[in-house]
Amino acid sequence: DQQVKQNSPSLSVQEGRISILNCDYTNSMFDYFLWYKKYPAEGPTFLISISSIKDKNEDGRFTVFLNKSAKHLSLHIVPSQPGDSAVYFCAARVGSQGNLIFGKGTKLSVKP
Amino acid sequence: DTGVSQNPRHKITKRGQNVTFRCDPISEHNRLYWYRQTLGQGPEFLTYFQNEAQLEKSRLLSDRFSAERPKGSFSTLEIQRTEQGDSAMYLCASSKGQGGSWPQHFGDGTRLSIL
Repeated sequence: DQQVKQNSPSLSVQEGRISILNCDYTNSMFDYFLWYKKYPAEGPTFLISISSIKDKNEDGRFTVFLNKSAKHLSLHIVPSQPGDSAVYFCAARVGSQGNLIFGKGTKLSVKP
Repeated sequence: DTGVSQNPRHKITKRGQNVTFRCDPISEHNRLYWYRQTLGQGPEFLTYFQNEAQLEKSRLLSDRFSAERPKGSFSTLEIQRTEQGDSAMYLCASSKGQGGSWPQHFGDGTRLSIL
């Protein structure tokens, strides 16, 4: 039973355009959501997070939107740069537990 | 801050052998987590520590797996009698606390290959 789903295995975007990565979840007990970026042969790097009591969080070129009623969140990257090419993981946390539950990831390719 | 450090980066061993991995978290991070990642999947939680106490274990952590954090600093993950299915990337992460405002920071992992 996959509680965090990233239904698009890959996404290709032109440099300078917006990249939108999507994530759906099923557990209404999740209280925090995080996005990680992963380059080959490296561990995941934390990008941005959002509490379940908010609907938007912004950090530079990265914005995360949360729609609790739809159990959906998205990561917007504007403008996209070739260095953003990586696998992006959506993760969620239940407040009473320590662990994160990850989606399978979306591979973003930003073409010059 | 130096990041989370994991050793070795790669481990190749024969089926049935025991292996041990080490993780050095970011200093002053009291929480330490172990995850496993296989090809095409996201990281899957194995276990975590708050200081030296092991607070939660996943059902993925069979009795062949044991983790320790003896002094609340570095941690080791041991796999006994390795099996083909143990081949994966083993990731360690640390955080200052439990709250979402303290995200987990990951090391680069130890890739285990079972021959």
